[in-house]
Amino acid sequence: EDQVTQSPEALRLQEGESSSLNCSYTVSGLRGLFWYRQDPGKGPEFLFTLYSAGEEKEKERLKATLTKKESFLHITAPKPEDSATYLCAVQATTNAGKSTFGDGTTLTVKP
Amino acid sequence: GAGVSQSPSNKVTEKGKDVELRCDPISGHTALYWYRQSLGQGLEFLIYFQGNSAPDKSGLPSDRFSAERTGGSVSTLTIQRTQQEDSAVYLCASSLAITAGGPPDTQYFGPGTRLTVL
Repeated sequence: EDQVTQSPEALRLQEGESSSLNCSYTVSGLRGLFWYRQDPGKGPEFLFTLYSAGEEKEKERLKATLTKKESFLHITAPKPEDSATYLCAVQATTNAGKSTFGDGTTLTVKP
Repeated sequence: GAGVSQSPSNKVTEKGKDVELRCDPISGHTALYWYRQSLGQGLEFLIYFQGNSAPDKSGLPSDRFSAERTGGSVSTLTIQRTQQEDSAVYLCASSLAITAGGPPDTQYFGPGTRLTVL
């Protein structure tokens, strides 16, 4: 059974204080690993898809990396508007339509 | 263009009643997904459609849950004889397609329907 574990559950940072969110996963064969951002009362918003170990993707202050067992979402010099819940999900090659999500990390950035 | 829309945005019902939740995917998207999100938790996969067919119904929690999609577009998630544990936000997403052996397409989510069962 595919599993995704995210840590920490909650993270509080001062504006400008860089940090990383972790997503550990087990999957029979990785089709893709996804990062989403979710604001309160809204649906998740797509950030990145990673396909293979060693891959990295960047968008503004966010950088996602992938190994065979985990992914990191690095946040550089965060701003208060980066406050949100960040969700990680995986899809297995054996079931292309099903995504397994972690419980998320809630990030709060204080000015 | 228009994103994924869901209706109603909020639904309050009494235990034992049936409810229908609707999802309008992005035009041209052949794949459609339903998830459930309980308070403070991640998303729980329920079912997905490729066109009008649902290859994987394994995520539906019980036989009280059913979903259909007609015309390759709108989908309805029906919960019969609702229970208090059904209270959650039900999210719908769509993507261009699901290509076996190919890279996954980006899923675009709607705002969700918040269901409260009293």
